[in-house]
Amino acid sequence: GIQVEQSPPDLILQEGANSTLRCNFSDSVNNLQWFHQNPWGQLINLFYIPSGTKQNGRLSATTVATERYSLLYISSSQTTDSGVYFCAVGAAGNKLTFGGGTRVLVKP
Amino acid sequence: GAVVSQHPSWVICKSGTSVKIECRSLDFQATTMFWYRQFPKQSLMLMATSNEGSKATYEQGVEKDKFLINHASLTLSTLTVTSAHPEDSSFYICSAPRDFDYEQYFGPGTRLTVT
Repeated sequence: GIQVEQSPPDLILQEGANSTLRCNFSDSVNNLQWFHQNPWGQLINLFYIPSGTKQNGRLSATTVATERYSLLYISSSQTTDSGVYFCAVGAAGNKLTFGGGTRVLVKP
Repeated sequence: GAVVSQHPSWVICKSGTSVKIECRSLDFQATTMFWYRQFPKQSLMLMATSNEGSKATYEQGVEKDKFLINHASLTLSTLTVTSAHPEDSSFYICSAPRDFDYEQYFGPGTRLTVT
């Protein structure tokens, strides 16, 4: 099956800092999504981005499908950005395989 | 965006009993839904694919007789944990893709504690 690796596993930021999270995957995909898991466990859809670049407020994402990686950028981080960020990819059958996640802590 | 609900949000049960968890797509139809399990400080692991009108397909290592899945309509899938044991305590999350693209939407999860 597809392997998904996220880096770094943990990230501590000072409020206002910028950061980049990376997701590498091992095979061609037709779906790539970024999620933020809040403290109550809810997965919040950030981006559906099997290729290309998207931006939503202070967040943006880029997927280079030919090189099998995706990047999530957080700019001007806020304490509410804390939580776990997951990358998940899908191929045949629409099943999603999740990476291990990046645990982000933004300090005031 | 699409909305997926789960019920209950948390449940405590005694060892040996069965628990049913519901997953509903509220504003779209879902011919396929997925069930995941997440242990503390770990990632999500796919358990099974729920197919409307047909049998579920289970991932390797998931006991189909223990985790019964029924997809009775285009908006409802249920997961029943039978003869629950403490090791079944976990966070169970469902998801559903819209039919016209691959993007998936997740329910808020159900926290199961077996005592």
